[in-house]
Amino acid sequence: QVQLVESGGGVVQPGRSLRLSCAASGFTFSSFAMNWVRQAPGKGLEWVAAISFDGSNKYYADSVKGRFTISRDNSKNTLYLQMNSLRAEDTALYYCAKDSILYTTSWYFLDWGQGTLVTVSS
Amino acid sequence: QSALTQPASVSGSPGQSITISCTGTGSDFGAYNYVSWYQHHPGKAPKLVIYDVTHRPSGVSNRFSASKSGQTASLNISGLQAEDEADYYCSSYTTSAILVFGGGTKVTVL
Repeated sequence: QVQLVESGGGVVQPGRSLRLSCAASGFTFSSFAMNWVRQAPGKGLEWVAAISFDGSNKYYADSVKGRFTISRDNSKNTLYLQMNSLRAEDTALYYCAKDSILYTTSWYFLDWGQGTLVTVSS
Repeated sequence: QSALTQPASVSGSPGQSITISCTGTGSDFGAYNYVSWYQHHPGKAPKLVIYDVTHRPSGVSNRFSASKSGQTASLNISGLQAEDEADYYCSSYTTSAILVFGGGTKVTVL
């Protein structure tokens, strides 16, 4: 079955960087678009970024554009989120989520990881 | 980027039906039928219950149904059960080529 396992979270100071990873298994990773979605403590879900199945198209929320970079390594079945210039408001549980239709972006997610917690604090 | 507007909370007794609304602007819903709904129990991954406005994924109870009219999408849960108590989020692809979520609705089963 589909497994998505996030890692790389932790406590980081404002202005510093962090890279999250999402290891995928149980499906043909290179055939599906992937996304990052976050949830700040006590807040709702917020979509962060998406990447097409082949990495040729990337989409970002305004709140992270220019600071975060989504990427993927299809040879390693791994999704990444490089987070630079981190702010306190980036503190959240970060989920990776698999798109639901082959070779396109369906914008709905049947499969999610359990999340990795990022805390931005001095 | 504006979030879609949902009521903060909705409650109902077991067996009753409830409806959660999700209101956006023209650019939020656009000409697309990419409205989805997620059920989220604290500490667990979100679960897709509706996609493409009205479609229910395999395995999701037929007590969940949804619709969209103009700038408002709605999720209906019939025959309310204790296990339905959770947070519910709508989401929509927008004309800005991004995905937006609603602020979430806490459903309480009385």
